[in-house]
Amino acid sequence: AQTVTQSQPEMSVQEAETVTLSCTYDTSESDYYLFWYKQPPSRQMILVIRQEAYKQQNATENRFSVNFQKAAKSFSLKISDSQLGDAAMYFCASFISNFGNEKLTFGTGTRLTIIP
Amino acid sequence: EAGVTQFPSHSVIEKGQTVTLRCDPISGHDNLYWYRRVMGKEIKFLLHFVKESKQDESGMPNNRFLAERTGGTYSTLKVQPAELEDSGVYFCASSQAPDRILSEQYFGPGTRLTVT
Repeated sequence: AQTVTQSQPEMSVQEAETVTLSCTYDTSESDYYLFWYKQPPSRQMILVIRQEAYKQQNATENRFSVNFQKAAKSFSLKISDSQLGDAAMYFCASFISNFGNEKLTFGTGTRLTIIP
Repeated sequence: EAGVTQFPSHSVIEKGQTVTLRCDPISGHDNLYWYRRVMGKEIKFLLHFVKESKQDESGMPNNRFLAERTGGTYSTLKVQPAELEDSGVYFCASSQAPDRILSEQYFGPGTRLTVT
């Protein structure tokens, strides 16, 4: 069974500063994917960044980057130069693709507040 | 291109009543998923359709929940009779994976269900 743990229910950061959201996961699979999703207030959830487990290089998308530590089963999200539009719930998720068993497993989320 | 849509956005019903939630996936997406988030907890998988067939319904809580996907297009999730613990936000997502390649799941805005 897959589990994803986000230990920070809430985080806040000053605008233009950097913040790191934590995520740990557990899986017995060797081939899996990890994601960070963002859900702004009253809006739908969108994909922020994804990481393939077989890739050692950390994924980066503009101001968003991850620190993927496979041995430690850790997958943190770093947001640089935080902007007001980054305020949202952030969900960490894992995915394994076995036929008949394709689903995302989510953590409980971290609510990020940006302080102007 | 229209995204995933869900109806209604909010529903308040009394315990024992019936509610039907609808999801319209992105056109051409064969995969359709239902997830649920109970207040403060993780988003949990409910079931997965591939076209009109249920690929995985291991996350359905009990037989009070019935999901259908007519003609492989839109999907409905009916709760009958509703209980207090069914309250939460129900998300629908769709993806296109013609060759079983990992494809991004696009989420709808969710339906907030409150059972009183």
